[in-house]
Amino acid sequence: DAKTTQPPSMDCAEGRAANLPCNHSTISGNEYVYWYRQIHSQGPQYIIHGLKNNETNEMASLIITEDRKSSTLILPHATLRDTAVYYCIVRVRGYNKLIFGAGTRLAVHP
Amino acid sequence: SAVISQKPSRDICQRGTSLTIQCQVDSQVTMMFWYRQQPGQSLTLIATANQGSEATYESGFVIDKFPISRPNLTFSTLTVSNMSPEDSSIYLCSVDALASGFYNEQFFGPGTRLTVL
Repeated sequence: DAKTTQPPSMDCAEGRAANLPCNHSTISGNEYVYWYRQIHSQGPQYIIHGLKNNETNEMASLIITEDRKSSTLILPHATLRDTAVYYCIVRVRGYNKLIFGAGTRLAVHP
Repeated sequence: SAVISQKPSRDICQRGTSLTIQCQVDSQVTMMFWYRQQPGQSLTLIATANQGSEATYESGFVIDKFPISRPNLTFSTLTVSNMSPEDSSIYLCSVDALASGFYNEQFFGPGTRLTVL
């Protein structure tokens, strides 16, 4: 699986958009970008995934660059409940293992 | 989707003893996974548990220390054997299951918080 690089921490004001970057310069053609988050003392939760097109669901948007070497997770209107560690993971779809990196600790403040 | 429960939710154990953690899923799944999360750290995959075969362990984890059972498609156990304080962690199980739409995603249990004295 390709390695990912994320900033260790970020801050965001409540109600503003949170943009979490992820570098995955060694991603291969059959690898997808997945995002999970872990709220304190809970198991990780799936957010979104994509291959090369931008994706949006009820939780977030995923923007993948054209060369697929980086991506950005966007929480359009961050709330205090979005405070969590966000993990960007690259893996082959259908390949079940998830390999977690260090993630980004997002703090949403009033 | 899949709903996962784990027992116990937390425990405090003495060094040298063993603890068995249970993971129950509300639907049949082929593969179950066990992770460890040491204090302040990310998740580390311990092993993949397949029904009807031996678990597949990741580098650095061995069956003697972390024996796993997978008796059916909805249940698995992880035993932490001969515990030491370094085994103090949160242990999580997860499954790969069909989500809404046509893709699989990984669902996680709430975790078991283990403290070894």
